[in-house]
Amino acid sequence: GQQVMQIPQYQHVQEGEDFTTYCNSSTTLSNIQWYKQRPGGHPVFLIQLVKSGEVKKQKRLTFQFGEAKKNSSLHITATQTTDVGTYFCAASFGNEKLTFGTGTRLTIIP
Amino acid sequence: DGGITQSPKYLFRKEGQNVTLSCEQNLNHDAMYWYRQDPGQGLRLIYYSQIVNDFQKGDIAEGYSVSREKKESFPLTVTSAQKNPTAFYLCARSVGGSSYNEQFFGPGTRLTVL
Repeated sequence: GQQVMQIPQYQHVQEGEDFTTYCNSSTTLSNIQWYKQRPGGHPVFLIQLVKSGEVKKQKRLTFQFGEAKKNSSLHITATQTTDVGTYFCAASFGNEKLTFGTGTRLTIIP
Repeated sequence: DGGITQSPKYLFRKEGQNVTLSCEQNLNHDAMYWYRQDPGQGLRLIYYSQIVNDFQKGDIAEGYSVSREKKESFPLTVTSAQKNPTAFYLCARSVGGSSYNEQFFGPGTRLTVL
């Protein structure tokens, strides 16, 4: 089946450092969504990207959709302890289903 | 919890027993989904339903069954045919059945089969 590769699997950063996670597909995507799951919790929707080259910002979070619509990234500037969790991309290949990446688990060293 | 109620939070069953996980939503949304999450893994789609009395298999439907007799309810049965049922099960809803709709997740049920 169609897959999205998400890297890295784990990321440990000092508080205040930046963090980036990437999602890649070999197939053009219709749209991509990003979710955050806190430890012990459930995924919570962050944002959706639809257009080629789209960039969206939410405070310290910047989301990008590649020009070819085959990759996406989430960048967090100056991480805080509240950013701890696992970040998932979820992509659509043109049907009604979302395919989730394996996630990047972010831990913050105070 | 995203307008979705899942119960119970933790569930223990003996191997060979069927078990049904509850999922209820109170926002009159059309689409509902069941995902499975294993440690260190992403979410894998089990079944989804876009309208009452209709549902489709996801990527890992074998060993599972669902029903959608009411719009607000989408129970998942983990049958004895599921080879490795221990996992975290998440139910989600969305306004419509399109992949462009954001999904709202319930708190999940952690199933352990002994």
